[in-house]
Amino acid sequence: GAGVSQSPSNKVTEKGKDVELRCDPISGHTALYWYRQSLGQGLEFLIYFQGNSAPDKSGLPSDRFSAERTGGSVSTLTIQRTQQEDSAVYLCASSYDYSNQPQHFGDGTRLSIL
Amino acid sequence: DQQVKQNSPSLSVQEGRISILNCDYTNSMFDYFLWYKKYPAEGPTFLISISSIKDKNEDGRFTVFLNKSAKHLSLHIVPSQPGDSAVYFCAASDLTSGTYKYIFGTGTRLKVLA
Repeated sequence: GAGVSQSPSNKVTEKGKDVELRCDPISGHTALYWYRQSLGQGLEFLIYFQGNSAPDKSGLPSDRFSAERTGGSVSTLTIQRTQQEDSAVYLCASSYDYSNQPQHFGDGTRLSIL
Repeated sequence: DQQVKQNSPSLSVQEGRISILNCDYTNSMFDYFLWYKKYPAEGPTFLISISSIKDKNEDGRFTVFLNKSAKHLSLHIVPSQPGDSAVYFCAASDLTSGTYKYIFGTGTRLKVLA
């Protein structure tokens, strides 16, 4: 498809396990964002990639969270030693460039930590 | 510290009437604002945007108004339709900062009654 693709759509795991979430942005989009939405909350910015520049990691809540973007395209968000408070919907978005272009969102990964 | 606030968590409107969704922000450096619509189990979709050099932007049934002195923006939907029932997020960015990340509000759930 032509949109932002995220996988898996749902992930249930035990506390303490590591998880990896994947995002395939729209082809040609140079900017990629990760957000999370906890129950009843807004979209919380996590990390932003723009081309080959160093990512803006200012939103990552702890050092258990990391993300990478290989070849300027696919991105993975990794959460190590998951905690129950990590349960949320993790949303990925991409945009054509970093200026005033609207972001196109994927449908998210619903992560549940037991 | 919530820089973008949507103080009404929910709103119900009769079909055909006007829906007005409000958003307040605290950072006077924000110069670009967007509204997104989100259906359950889907990612947010871009609706309409406005730059701080304007005070109004219209796109079909959707109009966004910006009052910079009050640090307030609103989204008007006229006439409201049942398909407009969704959660609406406002988002703001300071494009001059170079960070290119958007701060989202917590959303307002709109229900349009048939």
